[in-house]
Amino acid sequence: DQQVKQNSPSLSVQEGRISILNCDYTNSMFDYFLWYKKYPAEGPTFLISISSIKDKNEDGRFTVFLNKSAKHLSLHIVPSQPGDSAVYFCAATGNGQNFVFGPGTRLSVLP
Amino acid sequence: DVKVTQSSRYLVKRTGEKVFLECVQDMDHENMFWYRQDPGLGLRLIYFSYDVKMKEKGDIPEGYSVSREKKERFSLILESASTNQTSMYLCASSLGGGLYGYTFGSGTRLTVV
Repeated sequence: DQQVKQNSPSLSVQEGRISILNCDYTNSMFDYFLWYKKYPAEGPTFLISISSIKDKNEDGRFTVFLNKSAKHLSLHIVPSQPGDSAVYFCAATGNGQNFVFGPGTRLSVLP
Repeated sequence: DVKVTQSSRYLVKRTGEKVFLECVQDMDHENMFWYRQDPGLGLRLIYFSYDVKMKEKGDIPEGYSVSREKKERFSLILESASTNQTSMYLCASSLGGGLYGYTFGSGTRLTVV
């Protein structure tokens, strides 16, 4: 059973609008979460993280929200740009060493 | 610029062949990992290592082995390649803390025919 779920395999958004990518987890021991971005033929790259002691972390156009009671986190991209088109992976850890990854969401930002 | 380098971008191998995937990092990281990426399944952990000559099984180790003789190098071995091992293989390394997660290589697309 997947411990980290991304229920939307794909998402299309108009350029300039907000992109919201969602992630749910089942393991209550997870206390640190990351988002990775992956372009075709490249490895995933770190985007933004959040610790369980916070409910929001912001970095430029990217904001991650964490709702611990719902075991849910989301990544907001505002405004979305065509260069944001990629696969986004949510990842979680309970020991700071091994991360469990979700299946990914393919974001397409349309010009 | 810190790097994780995977020796091959694309590989085609025959069923039953022994396959070696090489990964080298130049960041003096203790931890190294091998994942495979398949559509709809995300990244699944095959093996990982926290130190030289140390290895631990991940979630899907069957059909694979690893070698870490030097800190900077972590090799994934497919003992007898099968078609269900056709996948994208990603190597990653990390310093030990979780703050920035992993640094990934560019991946090796392996096709077993």
